[in-house]
This record gives sequence, C-alpha cells and structure tokens, in this order.
Amino acid sequence: KQEVTQIPAALSVPEGENLVLNCSFTDSAIYNLQWFRQDPGKGLTSLLLIQSSQREQTSGRLNASLDKSSGRSTLYIAASQPGDSATYLCAVRHNAGNNRKLIWGLGTSLAVNP
Amino acid sequence: KAGVTQTPRYLIKTRGQQVTLSCSPISGHRSVSWYQQTPGQGLQFLFEYFSETQRNKGNFPGRFSGRQFSNSRSEMNVSTLELGDSALYLCASSSDGLETETQYFGPGTRLLVL
Repeated sequence: KQEVTQIPAALSVPEGENLVLNCSFTDSAIYNLQWFRQDPGKGLTSLLLIQSSQREQTSGRLNASLDKSSGRSTLYIAASQPGDSATYLCAVRHNAGNNRKLIWGLGTSLAVNP
Repeated sequence: KAGVTQTPRYLIKTRGQQVTLSCSPISGHRSVSWYQQTPGQGLQFLFEYFSETQRNKGNFPGRFSGRQFSNSRSEMNVSTLELGDSALYLCASSSDGLETETQYFGPGTRLLVL
C-alpha cells in the first residue's frame, strides 16, 4: 500500500533563508509526483509536477527533485519570503493498474517570518 | 478564465441529515475529482467523473455519491451524515483527467456536522 510522508510537519524560518521540504513514499511504482501549496480558504495550487522519468523540475525560486529508487522527493525554496508561508503538500500518482489516483502526504506547514 | 468554484463555502448540518455540494470546473475541463481533507487523514480521494461517468472511486462508503452533468458541473451528496464527515471537501478539475495534467482546485466547502 502506497504511503506518503512529509517531514517536517511544521517549519518556521526567517525571511531570506533557503529551505528544503521532504517527501517520502513507500512504493516506487509511481507515475508522477506533484507538489502543491495550500493557503487558508483558497484551496490548493499546483507548484511542480515531476514525471517518473524525470529527476527534477524548476519554477522560479522553487526546485523539486525526485529519486524514485529511494522513494524521496525534495522541494527546495530559495530566498524564502513571507508570502511563501503556506502548507506544502506532496502527492504521488500511484501507478497501479487503471486506478492511478493521487496519494497525499499530510503536508508541511511553513511560516516565513519577516 | 474563471477558476474552479464550489458552493456553498460553509455548511453546518446535524447527524442523520444529507448534504449536496456543488462544483463548477474551469470552462472546457471535462474531468472533476472530489477529495475529503481532515487534519488527521489529510486529503483522501473520493471519486472522479469524466464526461458524466464515474471513472475512478476511492474507499468511501456508499453514503458518498456524486454525479456530473453535461456541462461538466458536478455535485457530491452525502447521506445520513456522521460526525466524522466533518471536513473540507475539495473539488479539482482538469482538461481530460490525464495523469500528466495538473489539477486545478477550488477553495473547498467546509462541512461541520453537529
């Protein structure tokens, strides 16, 4: 059974720091992995999607890596800003027959302090 | 383009009642997925509809049902509400529901069952 874990559960950093959020999954048979951001009252926003054949994706100050063999992904945020404060969720698209549903981690709650 | 909209945004019901939640996807999107989010369980997949047909289903009891209309709008119904159904219900849409596509989420409907 695929399980997704995110560490740490919460993180507080001063503005300007570079930081890394971690996501691990138990079954390497994934189709892709996605990172989302959730702001209170605003639903989820997709940040980066990495296909299983890719190693990383970049968007602005964000860089996500994927190591399928070890079951790990990291989201690197450079030069953090207070506007980055949100909950970051990792989800894997499990590659199991016809039911390729998303399996979610519980998220990392990030606070960037000015 | 307007984003995914969900109505109502907040709802209070009592045990035993039923509830219907509505989701309007982004114009042109044919796939709509529903998720339940709780602090302890995180996001869990309920079901996906594509072109008025349920294409995938999560592991929820039959009290949870849904449907999709010809204009791709979707409704989700929960009958005989239980306290444990209190959660944030999120709807997401994508163009064709392909694994490579990004899902776009609505702000959610927060349901409280008393």
